Amino acid sequence: DQQVKQNSPSLSVQEGRISILNCDYTNSMFDYFLWYKKYPAEGPTFLISISSIKDKNEDGRFTVFLNKSAKHLSLHIVPSQPGDSAVYFCAARLMDSSYKLIFGSGTRLLVRP
Amino acid sequence: DTGVSQNPRHKITKRGQNVTFRCDPISEHNRLYWYRQTLGQGPEFLTYFQNEAQLEKSRLLSDRFSAERPKGSFSTLEIQRTEQGDSAMYLCASRQTDSGNTIYFGEGSWLTVV
Repeated sequence: DQQVKQNSPSLSVQEGRISILNCDYTNSMFDYFLWYKKYPAEGPTFLISISSIKDKNEDGRFTVFLNKSAKHLSLHIVPSQPGDSAVYFCAARLMDSSYKLIFGSGTRLLVRP
Repeated sequence: DTGVSQNPRHKITKRGQNVTFRCDPISEHNRLYWYRQTLGQGPEFLTYFQNEAQLEKSRLLSDRFSAERPKGSFSTLEIQRTEQGDSAMYLCASRQTDSGNTIYFGEGSWLTVV
């Protein structure tokens, strides 16, 4: 069963506009949510995270929103830049001793100049 | 460079051969994780170590796979009798349990089984 879902495999936005990437989860035993950015043939790079006790975290152009009741989180990128073009993975951390991450299948973002 | 280091970055092997990947985590990170990623999917958890102890293995880790972290520093992931279905990117990640909530990934090791 897929505990973390990214239902949009791709997203295309114009440079300067907002990019909104969505993620849904099913397991209530997640205590942290993270977004990673990945370029081809490279490992995922950490972008931003949010604790399950918060509903918003902001870092520069990146903001993550968490709606616990809906089991939904989103990543907003404003303004979008061509260098943001990559695959974005949503990950959720299990609230157990392992702290392992469960990943979604990713959303490929293309920012058009 | 003080990030997570993996090698080799790319490996092409014939079916049935054994391969070994190495991971050097960020210095003093006591947790080390192995993940596997196939095209169109997110990384999937394989196993993790706390220092030298392997604490959990995913059901994805068949008996052809073995991972070690003998001195609690670097780790190796060996795949015996490789199959075409083993073709994937193998990712290593590390974190320090006393600080931060982020797991940091290496650049991955691509395996192609022909």
